[in-house]
Amino acid sequence: AQKVTQAQTEISVVEKEDVTLDCVYETRDTTYYLFWYKQPPSGELVFLIRRNSFDEQNEISGRYSWNFQKSTSSFNFTITASQVVDSAVYFCALSERLLGGSQGNLIFGKGTKLSVKP
Amino acid sequence: DTAVSQTPKYLVTQMGNDKSIKCEQNLGHDTMYWYKQDSKKFLKIMFSYNNKELIINETVPNRFSPKSPDKAHLNLHINSLELGDSAVYFCASRTPTRDEQFFGPGTRLTVL
Repeated sequence: AQKVTQAQTEISVVEKEDVTLDCVYETRDTTYYLFWYKQPPSGELVFLIRRNSFDEQNEISGRYSWNFQKSTSSFNFTITASQVVDSAVYFCALSERLLGGSQGNLIFGKGTKLSVKP
Repeated sequence: DTAVSQTPKYLVTQMGNDKSIKCEQNLGHDTMYWYKQDSKKFLKIMFSYNNKELIINETVPNRFSPKSPDKAHLNLHINSLELGDSAVYFCASRTPTRDEQFFGPGTRLTVL
């Protein structure tokens, strides 16, 4: 079965601290995609990153960085020098290739609520 | 320009009523989805719709039905609303090549 686990339900940090959000996934497919989405208090879902299963390079975008490790089926997300505006629920998600080549739906983890205090 | 839009943003209704939520995307995507986010923030797929092929999550009650008048729209109809249907419903569309899903702003449904 396909599954995404975000073991951290809630994390609270003080501004300027670094914080890592963990994501572990399960899949039998060799071709799949991993995502992170941010859901701020306003409620919309904001796309942050997409990573395919063949690309294990880590990625950095400003204060955000992602560490994809196939060997441990993990796709962790680090925010450096956190800010109050980073307070949100962060979702990790998995999308798989179905039979016939069509892409599947997103399977979401339960989310990690990040609170950054000033 | 809004890529994926939903109306209404808020919907409050009585148990037993029938209601619809509209979704439109102007991205030219072929595949659209409906997701439900419950009170614990858990997001789960309800339907996917691609080139007139509807794939239904088996856990979705048949009171829910998606309707696609054209490629840019995927509306959600709900019959005989129940208290447990209260949730936020998100529409999404997917790029054909990069497999990125873009979400609408969500519709918060409250059933009284």
